[in-house]
Amino acid sequence: GAVVSQHPSRVICKSGTSVKIECRSLDFQATTMFWYRQFPKKSLMLMATSNEGSKATYEQGVEKDKFLINHASLTLSTLTVTSAHPEDSSFYICSAVNPGLNNSPLHFGNGTRLTVT
Amino acid sequence: SQQGEEDPQALSIQEGENATMNCSYKTSINNLQWYRQNSGRGLVHLILIRSNEREKHSGRLRVTLDTSKKSSSLLITASRAADTASYFCATNPLQGAQKLVFGQGTRLTINP
Repeated sequence: GAVVSQHPSRVICKSGTSVKIECRSLDFQATTMFWYRQFPKKSLMLMATSNEGSKATYEQGVEKDKFLINHASLTLSTLTVTSAHPEDSSFYICSAVNPGLNNSPLHFGNGTRLTVT
Repeated sequence: SQQGEEDPQALSIQEGENATMNCSYKTSINNLQWYRQNSGRGLVHLILIRSNEREKHSGRLRVTLDTSKKSSSLLITASRAADTASYFCATNPLQGAQKLVFGQGTRLTINP
């Protein structure tokens, strides 16, 4: 079964509103989670690294005030798209690291399809 | 920044044939991983190969890694219609902790 749960799977919102996406690790405590964005038929672009108990590390070109990340517990990280605009429409995917395993693959959520109208 | 290049971008073959996808990268790595993605879904981990390994098998999957050429290949043998998906290689950079950098992906279509 899934070890990382992402919610919601789909969301449609109006321009100017904010949307929160949740990423939960189910079977382990994840000190680090990653947020990716994927455009249609494109690869995954790393947006930020979410660290439990500290500020997220954003990749170059990603607006931290636009994409707010909170990792308040060892099993939950949230991504909030603030004041969403149609160009924010995309597929957002989170992944989590199991710190108990070295050189291990990431576990991915099933993604969230965001459509901003 | 994205560092992986995959080749081909799209591949269409008949069921039963073998499918080979290639990946090149730019920096030193801890490991390289291959993932599969069905349309509109999350990623499923297929196989991980460490930088000191040259070849790895898992069922119908065979992965090779050539660190001198900074390249990897994924071979799917005896393909099935259910193998239709996008396949991505992802590298874990040497200085990147658990970060993954994804390639552009190969869209594989298996025709029944």
